[in-house]
Amino acid sequence: QVQLVQSGAELKKPGASVRVSCKASGFTLSSYSFSWVRQASGQGLEWMGWVTPNSGKTGYAQQFQGRVTLTANTSTNTAYMDVRGLTSEDTAMYYCLRPGGYWGQGTPVIVSS
Amino acid sequence: DIQMIQSPSSLSASVGDRVTITCRASQSISVWLAWYQQKPGKAPKLLIYKASSLEGGVPSRFSGSGSETEFTLTISSLQPEDFATYYCQQYKSLWVTFGGGTKVEIK
Repeated sequence: QVQLVQSGAELKKPGASVRVSCKASGFTLSSYSFSWVRQASGQGLEWMGWVTPNSGKTGYAQQFQGRVTLTANTSTNTAYMDVRGLTSEDTAMYYCLRPGGYWGQGTPVIVSS
Repeated sequence: DIQMIQSPSSLSASVGDRVTITCRASQSISVWLAWYQQKPGKAPKLLIYKASSLEGGVPSRFSGSGSETEFTLTISSLQPEDFATYYCQQYKSLWVTFGGGTKVEIK
């Protein structure tokens, strides 16, 4: 069955970078585009961007342009999200999602000194 | 960017009530709209896709309607397990956007 399994919780200091992975099973990564969404505690869903694994093409929400990089490795069936220059406002749960309503379980990222 | 305005932001209802949540798009999205349910600590769960298609395994008390810019999620008879937050999502293009959410609370 379709599964998206994300990497574990991250605790980072302000200014650091973080990489979150999303490993797909039950389907071929290259067949779909992937989005990443974040959710701060008690807040709504904020779409961050998309990546098309086949072509490597990406698109980003304006507020994340230049600070977020989305990539995918079709040989390992894994998508990645890199965020640079972390601040406390980046503390949130991060999700990968695939068309058809498939979501990863979420990765909490905490940014604290 | 396509903006999604969802209303109300919260509501209180009783078990058995009929509940309606509205989502308005800033431009036409045809029927490229999904509805999700989210419970605390969990990833969102797909309820409705393509504006009115019920996802497999979702109870028939959930229904969606609308097209172009106006959409509605209806719960015909609210059950205890339906108390949660609901989000609409447009996916007309790869640049998707979400509504702000509607928290359904127990009256």
